[in-house]
Amino acid sequence: DGGITQSPKYLFRKEGQNVTLSCEQNLNHDAMYWYRQDPGQGLRLIYYSQIVNDFQKGDIAEGYSVSREKKESFPLTVTSAQKNPTAFYLCASSPAEGVGVAQYFGPGTRLLVL
Amino acid sequence: GNSVTQMEGPVTLSEEAFLTINCTYTATGYPSLFWYVQYPGEGLQLLLKATKADDKGSNKGFEATYRKETTSFHLEKGSVQVSDSAVYFCALSDRIGSARQLTFGSGTQLTVLP
Repeated sequence: DGGITQSPKYLFRKEGQNVTLSCEQNLNHDAMYWYRQDPGQGLRLIYYSQIVNDFQKGDIAEGYSVSREKKESFPLTVTSAQKNPTAFYLCASSPAEGVGVAQYFGPGTRLLVL
Repeated sequence: GNSVTQMEGPVTLSEEAFLTINCTYTATGYPSLFWYVQYPGEGLQLLLKATKADDKGSNKGFEATYRKETTSFHLEKGSVQVSDSAVYFCALSDRIGSARQLTFGSGTQLTVLP
């Protein structure tokens, strides 16, 4: 079955630690996205990538980093510079640009700070 | 900039009641409009979409019509079920450079009681 997988489901971070969230898709989509969701709020865009080896900052990129070395993979690193990392992180992908193109989401990773 | 405003929740209905969740938007271009649904602890699932004025998106008994004159995309269902309990997000897609970005509303929690 085609889809988007995210791992782990839960992740615990100690203060000063960098952690990496995995996102893999087998939908052959060109574009991939990372969103952050806080309780009672909508999703906010962290980073997005339209093609391999290229990515752009979204609205809240500070304290995060990404890479896009393969079409299928778009890992997100939450660095120690992100002072309030506790949130639900959602990865999405979409086909190449076009009118009405929807984004498809993975199951999410919940990050908690110890 | 673009924005999406949803009616505040939570919304509690009895089974078989009529559902309306209001959504209005502000956009400079001609956005595509979406409704996503999120079940507890999961990612977002695309529910329906519309790409131009007067288009009606529909899926699983849910409907929404793209109203350009009132900049609205209200979600409706004639008879809700307990299984419809979830958070519903309205979103618009507009161009950012060579890419398309989703802007989300804050979500509306729906609880359907048996």
